[in-house]
Formats: sequence, structure tokens, C-alpha cells
Amino acid sequence: SAVISQKPSRDICQRGTSLTIQCQVDSQVTMMFWYRQQPGQSLTLIATANQGSEATYESGFVIDKFPISRPNLTFSTLTVSNMSPEDSSIYLCSVIENYGYTFGSGTRLTVV
Amino acid sequence: KNEVEQSPQNLTAQEGEFITINCSYSVGISALHWLQQHPGGGIVSLFMLSSGKKKHGRLIATINIQEKHSSLHITASHPRDSAVYICAVRSSGGSNYKLTFGKGTLLTVNP
Repeated sequence: SAVISQKPSRDICQRGTSLTIQCQVDSQVTMMFWYRQQPGQSLTLIATANQGSEATYESGFVIDKFPISRPNLTFSTLTVSNMSPEDSSIYLCSVIENYGYTFGSGTRLTVV
Repeated sequence: KNEVEQSPQNLTAQEGEFITINCSYSVGISALHWLQQHPGGGIVSLFMLSSGKKKHGRLIATINIQEKHSSLHITASHPRDSAVYICAVRSSGGSNYKLTFGKGTLLTVNP
């Protein structure tokens, strides 16, 4: 299965700043997903990132707040912009392959 | 009501015990996934099921499509099994790749 390297693993950020999370996959994949997991909650899909096209955002998530880049088939970034304490969550990327989904190691974000 | 419900929310066991975690869902699915999340947040995929039963080491996953129910069993549990176990379903139909997740079951296995 694919191996995903996600960075950073954790960060503590000041409100009003932005953080960019990176995911590098060791093979080419068409679809990459970005999830948020708020404390005590289930994972929620933020957006689907396809190479060469705009990301598709889920209801409640907007590009200005969570801009995504997908410059090639092995790499994507998610930026959490103008952060507030409510953005404190675990953020995960994921890819789909024939036999299922592979997830990154997660980024634990705390906004103070 | 969530589309994916897990029970129990929390489970504490003694090393060696047999563990069962349940998942019920309310939508038609093409596949059900069992995932394991460790304290750092990273997620590992344990099983993908569309019917029947799968076994990997001490882990067994079953699914009953008619009853919209799946179970994850851990035999001879060990402290290293302590983690959050998450059930997720992929809805049937078209090119829908989205997963809907349960809230997870926090398993603690004491030595």
C-alpha cells in the first residue's frame, strides 16, 4: 500500500496566523482527501483534491479558510488560514487505492 | 441520528480478554472499513469488508449486510491494542469515494 508522509506532526499556533500541512505520497494517486477531527468528534471530510483541478469542498468548508494545493500526483498541502481556537483539531490526509484507504499520520493543531 | 453508530464508546479490558466492538449503519454501502487510531492521531486501516468475515492475526471483522451491522473482535487482547477503533462506511452508488465515520471506540487494555 501507499505510504504517506505528513508534516508537521503537531504545532501550536497563535490565533490569526496560518499553518500549512503537507502530505507526500510514495506513489502516484489520483484522489487525495483532507479530513478534520475535532476533539471528541468523528472525522469530517474537508475537501477532495485532484491533480490539475480545483479542490472540491464539502458543505461548511470554504477555499478562503482551507486553501488546498495539488501540484502533482504525489503531493498536496492544506492551509488553515486566520486560525482561531475552534480550529484546534487533528488534520489528516488520505488516499484511496484499489484495496482501500491509506491515511497520513495526522497533524495535531492547537490554536492559542 | 448519525449514519454510523459505534458501541461501546469506551471499553476497558484486562490483558487476554476477548473484545468486541460493534458498528451499525443506516445507509446502503459498498464497503465498510475498520480503522485504528493511535494517540498521535495517525490512522491505520485494519479491514475493508463488503461481505462475510476477514481475519488478520488476532483481529476478526464480520459484516451482516442485511442487518447493516459489523463487529470487530480482538482475541487475546494486549496492552498494545489500546487505541481508538473507528468504523467507516463508503456509500453505494456511482463514483462516491467519501467515507462516513463513526465516533470511535476508545479501547484500553490493562496488563
